[in-house]
Amino acid sequence: GAGVSQSPSNKVTEKGKDVELRCDPISGHTALYWYRQSLGQGLEFLIYFQGNSAPDKSGLPSDRFSAERTGGSVSTLTIQRTQQEDSAVYLCASSSRLAGYQETQYFGPGTRLLVL
Amino acid sequence: EDQVTQSPEALRLQEGESSSLNCSYTVSGLRGLFWYRQDPGKGPEFLFTLYSAGEEKEKERLKATLTKKESFLHITAPKPEDSATYLCAVRHGSSNTGKLIFGQGTTLQVKP
Repeated sequence: GAGVSQSPSNKVTEKGKDVELRCDPISGHTALYWYRQSLGQGLEFLIYFQGNSAPDKSGLPSDRFSAERTGGSVSTLTIQRTQQEDSAVYLCASSSRLAGYQETQYFGPGTRLLVL
Repeated sequence: EDQVTQSPEALRLQEGESSSLNCSYTVSGLRGLFWYRQDPGKGPEFLFTLYSAGEEKEKERLKATLTKKESFLHITAPKPEDSATYLCAVRHGSSNTGKLIFGQGTTLQVKP
């Protein structure tokens, strides 16, 4: 079946502009995660959605970052007033319902964001 | 604080030269240790999940093992196509979100 898809693949923007990144999870997966991978850095958790529960936003680095998930499926990560330090690869992952030990996160190809 | 440390940062092997990658972790109540492979310009690809000390899993030339403090990814007779960055991540017991904490990765290069 289809895996996690993300769009756009690459995004170049100017400092101060807003950007929207999209994630389509694997069909049937109720959990969705956003991570950020900066050059030379490990993956950093940003936000988590699970069904209709309130999202865990504990990893968002500033209030310029926000995310929503519509209809329990597609998610959009928005970065307002982008800064050069926002340049990174933004990765989305999805998993089946959190059920004890049965969760594996499957990642999309990522969106490479460059802020000039 | 939960922490994952991978070593070495980079590893160069000749084709057929077996070796091991290390992932040391500090986490309160491990609820899974995950290994992923990441090729340049792509997202991480799931390899293994280990849940308890003593557990082992194998896939082709790869074998992952787990102790109470670390995990090893053993690569037997590697081929050039095994060249990639290998990522280790943990999920801790007190997390109700399932978020993963990743190490920095080990970049493996296998020369023919």
